[in-house]
Parts: sequence; structure tokens; C-alpha cells
Amino acid sequence: NIVLTQSPATLSVTPGESVSLSCRASQSISTSIHWYQQKSNESPRLLIKYASQSISGIPSRFSGSGSGTDFTLSINRVESEDFSIYYCQQSYSSLYTFGAGTKLELK
Amino acid sequence: QVTLKESGPGILQPSQTLSLTCTFSGFSLSTYGMGVGWIRQPSGKGLEWLANIWWDDDKYYNPSLKNRLTISKDTSNNQAFLKITNVDTADTATYYCARIGYNSGPEDYFDYWGQGVMVTVSS
Repeated sequence: NIVLTQSPATLSVTPGESVSLSCRASQSISTSIHWYQQKSNESPRLLIKYASQSISGIPSRFSGSGSGTDFTLSINRVESEDFSIYYCQQSYSSLYTFGAGTKLELK
Repeated sequence: QVTLKESGPGILQPSQTLSLTCTFSGFSLSTYGMGVGWIRQPSGKGLEWLANIWWDDDKYYNPSLKNRLTISKDTSNNQAFLKITNVDTADTATYYCARIGYNSGPEDYFDYWGQGVMVTVSS
């Protein structure tokens, strides 16, 4: 199994700050990483596909980067609606895996 | 418009078999490149991928649960199914089905999700 390690587990920020969330893979996975946002009591929502490709309808303040084993989800100027949990998912293997998540909380 | 909705028993006892149904619209699992996956989430915990089924009936399972999982589909009725045998309290979770992304061919992320169905295993 490909293991995804997300850090930090929790990130406390104030609105207006810019943040970076990390996802590290246990082996090289090219750009086969996707990011999701999950708000409390809601289903996950796709934010970024294939490491850096944008998704229609997702605000432009969300961006992704990385390749190989190290990936980053960046949020430029966090807004109040962004406080939620973020997960990465790999599809390099047909046996998908998710990271444990990073909780973005209000400082 | 793509929609998915999960249904299940709500509560069941340890050692029973959990049967889940995903009823979807807006796409067909008989179309080249289409796929549906199942993912679960215990309360307060992270997402766990369980299984995928593809248009050509190819199937993939989470190795940690593989012996207990069976995924299937009914393309005529736009449904996908997941069975988990010999459940115990650790299987208590919200279960989601999701469409695997499609752009003239398969793309391996989940672009549309159902609302989830809560399943409790308790004696």
C-alpha cells in the first residue's frame, strides 16, 4: 500500500493568512494526488486533481503543487468558509489511499 | 446532473453481512471509463477507501478488507452495491459512494459524492 502522511494534523490560523498543507507519499507517485475539502457533517468535495489541476467552481485561492513524493495544497488568504478538514488521495496505485487529513481551524 | 445516493440497513448486529446500495443518475456505468467507488468514515475519523468497480466490471479492493468485501453493479438500474461480511463494531461508519472522475476516459479521483449513509454495528 502507498501510505500518505499529511502534516500538520491541525493548523490554527486567522482569516487572511495564507497557508500550506503537506502530503507526503511513501513512494514516488508522479502527480497522481488529489485534494478534498470536508466541512463538518458534509461529504468531501474535490478541490484539486493531479497535484495542480484546478477544478471548475473551486475558488482560485486554492492551488496545488508537487510531484514525486511531496505535495502541497496552498490556500491564499484563508476565508472563514475554509475552516474544515483537508484530505489528499493517491491514484498512482489502483488501490487508492487517503491521508489522515489536516484540520484547518480558527486561531 | 450527476447525483448519487446511498442506502443501507442503518443498524445491524456483529457477524451479519452489511449490504449497501448506491443509486446514481447523470452517468452510466456501461460507458467506457466510468467507475464508482465506496469510501467510509468512522465518526470523527478520516476517510478509508474500500473498493472500486469499473465499466468493464474490473474491481479493486482495499487489501486490509479484501476478504470481506464484494462490489457489484446493475447497469440497467444505475446502481452499485457493496457487501461486507462478518461485520463488527469497527465497521460502524458513514459509508459514501462516489463517481470516479471522467474526461473522455477514466480519471482516478472522486468528483461526485453521495450524502453518505450511517451504519451502526451493535449487539
